[in-house]
Amino acid sequence: AQSVSQHNHHVILSEAASLELGCNYSYGGTVNLFWYVQYPGQHLQLLLKYFSGDPLVKGIKGFEAEFIKSKFSFNLRKPSVQWSDTAEYFCAARGAGGSYIPTFGRGTSLIVHP
Amino acid sequence: DGGITQSPKYLFRKEGQNVTLSCEQNLNHDAMYWYRQDPGQGLRLIYYSQIVNDFQKGDIAEGYSVSREKKESFPLTVTSAQKNPTAFYLCASSQQGARSNQPQHFGDGTRLSIL
Repeated sequence: AQSVSQHNHHVILSEAASLELGCNYSYGGTVNLFWYVQYPGQHLQLLLKYFSGDPLVKGIKGFEAEFIKSKFSFNLRKPSVQWSDTAEYFCAARGAGGSYIPTFGRGTSLIVHP
Repeated sequence: DGGITQSPKYLFRKEGQNVTLSCEQNLNHDAMYWYRQDPGQGLRLIYYSQIVNDFQKGDIAEGYSVSREKKESFPLTVTSAQKNPTAFYLCASSQQGARSNQPQHFGDGTRLSIL
């Protein structure tokens, strides 16, 4: 069965620190990968997605993620976080061309101190 | 603007009572989903529906029921058989067919608590 692992459950950073959130998936075929963000009191929204092509994907608000097929990873990065990045971050994966139902990771709670 | 509307935002249930959570979308999406979000457990799929009058169980369907009588509506009933219903419930939708590579859109959620 497909699974998604997010290794960091809680991350606390100071403003301007660099961020990297880990995400690994288990799926043998071609995958679509997503990072969603849930700001306090708001709905989940898409940060970025990878379907094919350039493995370095740029999303909104300065976030990027790199798909490394050999490592089954899709880590999220941001060079310099802001207080407004405080949120919960979810990685998701689904098989391309097969089941359209994504599998979500458990989420990472990020707190950025001003 | 197109989107997903979940209501109510907060809901309280008494022991032994069934409650229904509403989810409406005006995105003309074919597929709709219900997730349960618990702290530290991410999103777990309860039910999903690809087309009207058809739905499938997800990973944690026990104690829940759904219907899909209209394309834009996918209500979730939390029955008395669900022993631990306190959670945050999220509804989502997505396009199918030729545009099935599009991501899901989510509603604002309903927080259900037991009195």
